[in-house]
Amino acid sequence: QKEVEQNSGPLSVPEGAIASLNCTYSDRGSQSFFWYRQYSGKSPELIMSIYSNGDKEDGRFTAQLNKASQYVSLLIRDSQPSDSATYLCAAAGGTSYGKLTFGQGTILTVHP
Amino acid sequence: ETGVTQTPRHLVMGMTNKKSLKCEQHLGHNAMYWYKQSAKKPLELMFVYSLEERVENNSVPSRFSPECPNSSHLFLHLHTLQPEDSALYLCASSQTSGRAGELFFGEGSRLTVL
Repeated sequence: QKEVEQNSGPLSVPEGAIASLNCTYSDRGSQSFFWYRQYSGKSPELIMSIYSNGDKEDGRFTAQLNKASQYVSLLIRDSQPSDSATYLCAAAGGTSYGKLTFGQGTILTVHP
Repeated sequence: ETGVTQTPRHLVMGMTNKKSLKCEQHLGHNAMYWYKQSAKKPLELMFVYSLEERVENNSVPSRFSPECPNSSHLFLHLHTLQPEDSALYLCASSQTSGRAGELFFGEGSRLTVL
C-alpha cells in the first residue's frame, strides 16, 4: 500500500513568517513529487514539482526532496494571508505519469 | 473555453437514479483522470484513460462506470449510488510524458446522494 503522510496541522503562522510543510512517502519507487494548493471550495492547483534530490525554488516557494529519507517539504517564505489554504503533497512512480498518491493535506492559516 | 471544465458543478440524486458527470479538457493533453475527494480522506484516484491504457482502481465499485470517447472528453456514469458516495468528484488531465505528473484539475462536481 503506497502511502503519503503529511504533518497533520492545522498550521498557523503570522504574516511574513516562513511556513514549513512536511511529507513522507512509503514507496521507494516514487520518482516525482508535487505540491498542490487547494483553497476552500476550489480544486487543487499545482504549485511545485520536484524530481531530484535537493532544493527547487520558485519565487517564495522552495521544495526540498531527500529520497534517502523519503521526505519532501515545502517552505513558503514571507507568508501572506492569501497563502491560507490546504496544501496537498503527492507522489508518483517512474511510469505513473498522473496516477498520483496524495497525502491527506495540511491546512495552513496565515494570520495578519 | 480553456482548461478543464466539468458539468454539472452540483448534483443531488437518489439511490435509484442514473446520472452522468461530464469533463472536457482544452489543453491538448493525452491522459484524463477521475479523482474522488471525500471529507477527511486523501484524494483517491478512480480511473485513468490515456492513449496507452485504461487504469482502474480496483476498490472502485461497479456502480461507477467511466467512458472516454476521445482524448478530450471523459464521463463518469453513476447508478444506484449509496449515501457514502457523496463527495467531490474531480476530473483532471495531463501529458503522459515530460511533465507528466502535473495534473490540471477541473472545478469538480459536488455529488450528494440521498
